[in-house]
Amino acid sequence: IAGITQAPTSQILAAGRRMTLRCTQDMRHNAMYWYRQDLGLGLRLIHYSNTAGTTGKGEVPDGYSVSRANTDDFPLTLASAVPSQTSVYFCASSENSGANVLTFGAGSRLTVL
Amino acid sequence: GQNIDQPTEMTATEGAIVQINCTYQTSGFNGLFWYQQHAGEAPTFLSYNVLDGLEEKGRFSSFLSRSKGYSYLLLKELQMKDSASYLCAVMDSNYQLIWGAGTKLIIKP
Repeated sequence: IAGITQAPTSQILAAGRRMTLRCTQDMRHNAMYWYRQDLGLGLRLIHYSNTAGTTGKGEVPDGYSVSRANTDDFPLTLASAVPSQTSVYFCASSENSGANVLTFGAGSRLTVL
Repeated sequence: GQNIDQPTEMTATEGAIVQINCTYQTSGFNGLFWYQQHAGEAPTFLSYNVLDGLEEKGRFSSFLSRSKGYSYLLLKELQMKDSASYLCAVMDSNYQLIWGAGTKLIIKP
């Protein structure tokens, strides 16, 4: 089934640890995004990539990094996790950047203690 | 600053009609999206409006007034499976999506 796969589904992590959330899509979409979703707030963009080999900062990029080595994969890394990074993380993709419909992955629930 | 406002929670009865409003203030406008998100799941696309007026898609319709900075999502013949959060998002002049916090819709039998 075409779509986006995220891993892990959920994770409990000690503060200070490094963590990589994986995201893979098989739709050959050019643009990919990482969002975090917190109770009472709208989805907030962390980082994005308009095409393979390029990345950009979103609204809340501090403490996170991404890479886009190829079209399909867009991992998100927390270099040294802090409790405020406890959230649900969604990876999404669209055919191109701009006014395109987003397809979301199932999400990764991360708890930092 | 940029802002999207929508009610936090609404309750409606199975079989009835409900209207979920969204007002926005953004730097420019390149379209408004509605997404549905069931609890614990990913958001899924419902509708996109870029011109004023009503877009109908089965039981769901979405309306846009750009001059008023206003949209609504209309759900008819409500079913229990429509219990979900409904997210309004506006694309600004830089093609960045600004998201509302979502409206949790509770359907009662």
